[in-house]
Amino acid sequence: VQLVESGGGLVQPGESLRLSCAASGFTFSSYGMAWVRQAPGKGLEWVSTVTSGGTGTYYTDSVKGRFTISRDNAKKTLYLQMNSLRVEDTAIYYCSRKAVVSKSWFDPWGQGTRVTVSS
Amino acid sequence: QSVLTQPPSVSGAPGQRVTISCTGSSSNIGADYDVHWYQQLPGTAPKLLIYGNTNRPSGVPDRISGSKSGTSASLAISGLQAEDEADYYCQSYDSSLSGWVFGGGTKLTVL
Repeated sequence: VQLVESGGGLVQPGESLRLSCAASGFTFSSYGMAWVRQAPGKGLEWVSTVTSGGTGTYYTDSVKGRFTISRDNAKKTLYLQMNSLRVEDTAIYYCSRKAVVSKSWFDPWGQGTRVTVSS
Repeated sequence: QSVLTQPPSVSGAPGQRVTISCTGSSSNIGADYDVHWYQQLPGTAPKLLIYGNTNRPSGVPDRISGSKSGTSASLAISGLQAEDEADYYCQSYDSSLSGWVFGGGTKLTVL
């Protein structure tokens, strides 16, 4: 099982970025997926989750209306479209597989991709 | 401020036992949502350590255990080793927030 994130970088406030997470080693279409972030020197913060089929999406309040989670099961890829980025969105963004059990744990995790929002 | 409260730091000598607490409320742990624990070694991604309150994934040694009671949960590590030095996070689900929540993390130092 492997998750590989990409798409991070340095952007200015108000700009957009799209993160990708390529999955391999498991039946991607059978699992919900999530993004979790970690600001520099801070703890983990759940950002968003999408159901296995892609129809159900959930977001933490601070990103609602700005971020969009999606997936392409044919390409085994998870996405996070981030618009109107703010300085406080600066973090390492991890992609993770959600266990099949409802409202459960995340395992495994990718290595993360760094997003820096700064003017 | 995290929804789940953990002590910022704990420490212990090699061979000793330490516990890390995770305190929630009636909308998360107290609402009977399970608690899960992660270990994050410096500069690496988090790794699942305990799931479903008490269960260890394959490869996690049995000197690591989890428990849950009421609105709190605990992670116990016995026979402390230098390699246990890491940050530890608890995680659950919160019905009021309709989302997944993490504790603020606890830094374990092996003296």
